Amino acid sequence: GQNIDQPTEMTATEGAIVQINCTYQTSGFNGLFWYQQHAGEAPTFLSYNVLDGLEEKGRFSSFLSRSKGYSYLLLKELQMKDSASYLCAVKEPYNTDKLIFGTGTRLQVFP
Amino acid sequence: GAVVSQHPSWVICKSGTSVKIECRSLDFQATTMFWYRQFPKQSLMLMATSNEGSKATYEQGVEKDKFLINHASLTLSTLTVTSAHPEDSSFYICSAMGAQFFGPGTRLTVL
Repeated sequence: GQNIDQPTEMTATEGAIVQINCTYQTSGFNGLFWYQQHAGEAPTFLSYNVLDGLEEKGRFSSFLSRSKGYSYLLLKELQMKDSASYLCAVKEPYNTDKLIFGTGTRLQVFP
Repeated sequence: GAVVSQHPSWVICKSGTSVKIECRSLDFQATTMFWYRQFPKQSLMLMATSNEGSKATYEQGVEKDKFLINHASLTLSTLTVTSAHPEDSSFYICSAMGAQFFGPGTRLTVL
């Protein structure tokens, strides 16, 4: 079966660093996406990892270990506007664009 | 960049009526689109894969006779919720062109 787990909720302070973990057990793997979703809005793309290692993009970085079925999203220099839900999603193989989403993590940033 | 639009952005209907939601790719052709549903404080759940010119592929547990999908052109997919009931109230989101582009979502409320 497909199982993608994330912590339900996290809190952090403005200016700090937070790491949101995602573990997955899926029948196939063709990459992992991270999205940000504000309440009432559609998800917006943050990052995509298909090879092991760290991908850095400004204040956000994403890490993948395929052998461990593990990824994390690292948010630096947190801002109040970073309060949102963060979703990881695994892309199924065989040249499809089908995504299986994790449970999502609601992050609240406090002043 | 690629843009995906949805219409309407929100809809309120009476129980027993049918509601049609449109998903359009505005500056690219999409042979495949995906329909997701999201209940409050939950993650996205894939409902079906919409294929241009052929039948949609539904995920397990999604009633194909209740959620009719039509992908008649390379830029338009429609989801019709037939005989809607209050439990169908949800946020419906489409995506196209891989996993990077989501529509803004349609909030359906069934009274």
